[in-house]
Amino acid sequence: KNEVEQSPQNLTAQEGEFITINCSYSVGISALHWLQQHPGGGIVSLFMLSSGKKKHGRLIATINIQEKHSSLHITASHPRDSAVYICAVRYSGGGADGLTFGKGTHLIIQP
Amino acid sequence: GAGVSQTPSNKVTEKGKYVELRCDPISGHTALYWYRQSLGQGPEFLIYFQGTGAADDSGLPNDRFFAVRPEGSVSTLKIQRTERGDSAVYLCASSLTLQGIQYFGAGTRLSVL
Repeated sequence: KNEVEQSPQNLTAQEGEFITINCSYSVGISALHWLQQHPGGGIVSLFMLSSGKKKHGRLIATINIQEKHSSLHITASHPRDSAVYICAVRYSGGGADGLTFGKGTHLIIQP
Repeated sequence: GAGVSQTPSNKVTEKGKYVELRCDPISGHTALYWYRQSLGQGPEFLIYFQGTGAADDSGLPNDRFFAVRPEGSVSTLKIQRTERGDSAVYLCASSLTLQGIQYFGAGTRLSVL
């Protein structure tokens, strides 16, 4: 079964801390997405990557294709970063055209 | 509109009833996706349209679920004989191409009583 595993499931940190959320998947992919979902809100796409590293503001996403692993980092975390962060992949070599999602990481940044 | 629009935002229905959920994608986006998100879970893929055709409906759970996109823009997800287990947030997303970034609507929260 093609699965996307995220860790940790829940994370509480203090404002200013460096945050890392991990994502691993089981088979080859053509792209990996990091998404943000606020309580009661819609889903916002943060990154789409297939190799290397991308940076946007305080957010950094990396992917290691050989190890089938990606990380999302947040530098100088702020309470407004509190949200659910979801990793999703598009599998290569057949299978559903839609994304396969992890269960999400619930992040709380305390002031 | 500027983003993906979904209506209604909330729908409460009784077991056995028929419901329709609407998605209005970003103008010009040929790819449209429906997902379903149960409480505490990540979204699950239901169906993908490329233009007017359902290119991949492998995620539809059973034949009570059906979706159309007759003119290649607005899509409607139809659920017949609703069951309590159908209660979830139904999300729609669109992208310029299959491989592109997906933009999500706010979802329709369906509650089957």
